[in-house]
Amino acid sequence: DQQVKQNSPSLSVQEGRISILNCDYTNSMFDYFLWYKKYPAEGPTFLISISSIKDKNEDGRFTVFLNKSAKHLSLHIVPSQPGDSAVYFCAAVGDQTGANNLFFGTGTRLTVIP
Amino acid sequence: GAVVSQHPSWVICKSGTSVKIECRSLDFQATTMFWYRQFPKQSLMLMATSNEGSKATYEQGVEKDKFLINHASLTLSTLTVTSAHPEDSSFYICSTPGLVIYEQFFGPGTRLTVL
Repeated sequence: DQQVKQNSPSLSVQEGRISILNCDYTNSMFDYFLWYKKYPAEGPTFLISISSIKDKNEDGRFTVFLNKSAKHLSLHIVPSQPGDSAVYFCAAVGDQTGANNLFFGTGTRLTVIP
Repeated sequence: GAVVSQHPSWVICKSGTSVKIECRSLDFQATTMFWYRQFPKQSLMLMATSNEGSKATYEQGVEKDKFLINHASLTLSTLTVTSAHPEDSSFYICSTPGLVIYEQFFGPGTRLTVL
């Protein structure tokens, strides 16, 4: 039962342009969402998060948008840089779904072309 | 963020053997560690929560007698896959709680291949 879905396994973007990574979820009990970035041979590293009481959180080049009614969130990276090339995972968690149980999507591989 | 290491990074073993995977928190003490598993083209799934000095708690559908977890110190948790079979071939990754709510620091993972 995949409660968090990333339907695009890969995305290619030109350097300097915007990268938009999408994520959908099914469980309305989730109240916190996170994006992780993973380089080869390394573990996922935390990138940015958003609480369900907000619809936008911005940190430098990274912005996460949350649309609760659509159960959809997206990560915007602008401007995209070659060093952003990695696999991006979205994750969801909630007190009522297990505060330590991060539900992950399958990831989207972003390639930023110089 | 915290540094979490895993050993080995990859292992190949014969069916029926047991494999131990270590997860170390290098720069802080972790009373709790998490073990995840990722099958090809699937997402990371939480297997169990390792608690220092007490029994691990397992997620539904995970066999505790097959996946033995020991959290003997504040910096080390081990996952032993007992009597491994080819269907246990997967990517195993551990994590520790992070600095902010819900955040976790992940190790680099261990690729297990059972022949």
